[in-house]
Amino acid sequence: KQEVTQIPAALSVPEGENLVLNCSFTDSAIYNLQWFRQDPGKGLTSLLLIQSSQREQTSGRLNASLDKSSGRSTLYIAASQPGDSATYLCAANTGANSKLTFGKGITLSVRP
Amino acid sequence: DAGVIQSPRHEVTEMGQEVTLRCKPISGHNSLFWYRQTMMRGLELLIYFNNNVPIDDSGMPEDRFSAKMPNASFSTLKIQPSEPRDSAVYFCASNDFGAGGPGELFFGEGSRLTVL
Repeated sequence: KQEVTQIPAALSVPEGENLVLNCSFTDSAIYNLQWFRQDPGKGLTSLLLIQSSQREQTSGRLNASLDKSSGRSTLYIAASQPGDSATYLCAANTGANSKLTFGKGITLSVRP
Repeated sequence: DAGVIQSPRHEVTEMGQEVTLRCKPISGHNSLFWYRQTMMRGLELLIYFNNNVPIDDSGMPEDRFSAKMPNASFSTLKIQPSEPRDSAVYFCASNDFGAGGPGELFFGEGSRLTVL
């Protein structure tokens, strides 16, 4: 059974700092891995999707990497801004029919 | 596209009442998922459909919960009778599962259910 872990549960950084959010998964036989952002009281917004054949994906100030052999993914946020404050969740897609397993998320606070 | 559309956004009901949550997936997507989110348990997959057929309902808590997808553009999640412990945010999500495997998953804004 796939398990996805995100540590730490919360992170606070000053504005402008580059930061890395970690995600680990136990079953390396994944189709893809997806990073989401969730603002309080809102739904999940997809940030990046990395296919199992890819090593990384980039979108603006965000870069996500995937290392299947070690069961790890990272989300790199460059030059963090207060508007980046949110909860970031990673989810591993294992098996047929798109079954995603989510981590519990990392709540990021970027201080002005 | 308007994205995944859920209704109602908020529902407050009394214990024992029937609750029906609705979802319209993104047009062209062939997979639909119902999730539940609570502080204690995080996001839990309740059930998912592929081409309108329920594939895995192992996450449905008990017989009080049922879900249907009568066509490609509509799904419902029903709780009857509702209990206070069902209070949570219920999310619907959809994606396209094709020859290349599962695509990017898109979520609706959620339905916040409070059972008194």
